[in-house]
Amino acid sequence: DGGITQSPKYLFRKEGQNVTLSCEQNLNHDAMYWYRQDPGQGLRLIYYSQIVNDFQKGDIAEGYSVSREKKESFPLTVTSAQKNPTAFYLCASSRDESYEQYFGPGTRLTVT
Amino acid sequence: GDSVTQMEGPVTLSEEAFLTINCTYTATGYPSLFWYVQYPGEGLQLLLKATKADDKGSNKGFEATYRKETTSFHLEKGSVQVSDSAVYFCALSDPMDSGGYQKVTFGTGTKLQVIP
Repeated sequence: DGGITQSPKYLFRKEGQNVTLSCEQNLNHDAMYWYRQDPGQGLRLIYYSQIVNDFQKGDIAEGYSVSREKKESFPLTVTSAQKNPTAFYLCASSRDESYEQYFGPGTRLTVT
Repeated sequence: GDSVTQMEGPVTLSEEAFLTINCTYTATGYPSLFWYVQYPGEGLQLLLKATKADDKGSNKGFEATYRKETTSFHLEKGSVQVSDSAVYFCALSDPMDSGGYQKVTFGTGTKLQVIP
């Protein structure tokens, strides 16, 4: 079955540590996205990538970094510079400009 | 920039009641409109979509009509079930506002609780 996988589902880190969230898709989609979801705020775009080896900042990129070395993979690193990293992180992909986004199951990150 | 406004939740309904969740939007160009659903602890799933004015999207008994004149895309269902309890997000995709890439603007979500 095609889809998007995110791992792990729950992640706990100490403040000051970097952490990398995994996102893999086997839908052969060109575009991939990372969103952050906080209660009552909907989804906010962190980074997006339209093709391999290229990515762009979204609305709240500060304190985050990404890479896109393979079409299937778009990992997100939450760095120690992110002031409030505890949140639910969602990865998505889409085929191209005119198609809807498909979402992974999410990773809930808790930093203490 | 583009924006999506949804009615505040939570919305609590009895089983078999009629559901309406209001959604209005502002957009630079001619957006595509979507409703996504999120069950507890999960990612978002596309529920339905409409790509041009007067299109009606439908799925699993839910419907929404793209109304350009009122810039609205209200979600409706004639008879809700307990299993419909979830958070519903209205969203739009407007290439004119994003330099050609598929940026999606989401509303803040409306939580629906259906009680037996």
